[in-house]
Amino acid sequence: GQQLNQSPQSMFIQEGEDVSMNCTSSSIFNTWLWYKQDPGEGPVLLIALYKAGELTSNGRLTAQFGITRKDSFLNISASIPSDVGIYFCAGLPTPSTSGTYKYIFGTGTRLKVLA
Amino acid sequence: NAGVTQTPKFQVLKTGQSMTLQCAQDMNHEYMSWYRQDPGMGLRLIHYSVGAGITDQGEVPNGYNVSRSTTEDFPLRLLSAAPSQTSVYFCASSYSIGNVRGETQYFGPGTRLLVL
Repeated sequence: GQQLNQSPQSMFIQEGEDVSMNCTSSSIFNTWLWYKQDPGEGPVLLIALYKAGELTSNGRLTAQFGITRKDSFLNISASIPSDVGIYFCAGLPTPSTSGTYKYIFGTGTRLKVLA
Repeated sequence: NAGVTQTPKFQVLKTGQSMTLQCAQDMNHEYMSWYRQDPGMGLRLIHYSVGAGITDQGEVPNGYNVSRSTTEDFPLRLLSAAPSQTSVYFCASSYSIGNVRGETQYFGPGTRLLVL
């Protein structure tokens, strides 16, 4: 099945550093969603993006909907130990390209923060 | 407002047994879906529903059935459990599809299933 290309797969960073990750697709998307998943928990929504070029922040997190509508970026500034977890991107392709309403997920970026 | 709830949290089955994973949402969401999450595989869509009475297959539907008789509930049935169905199952919902601002999808806490 179709999955988004999410990179990097994993990151080890020092506390206080900034983090960047991205997702790319061959399809045009209507919506981009970014989630964080802690061990043993379900994904929790961080940021939702709805139109090309949109830049949205949630505390130290900032995400952007790419102009081409085929990519999205998530940045975390001044990372702290509780940022550790798996970050997933998800998108909803336009029905005209996919023919159906199916969310597509990235494979995740595993973030580890070293104190 | 409880959001998306799932029961049970954990389940152990023997091969060949059947069971139903429950999912409910109290947000009047039209769109509901079931995913399974396996190590290194990310989230894979099993089945989804765009409204009561309407269901469709996702990426990995074999061995699973769903129905959507009400807006609130979307149960997932394992017909004859197999070890390959050992996984973590997540239910999710969103307000609508096609209305862009309603497409934000929320997840339940998950059901951890072990099939022996």
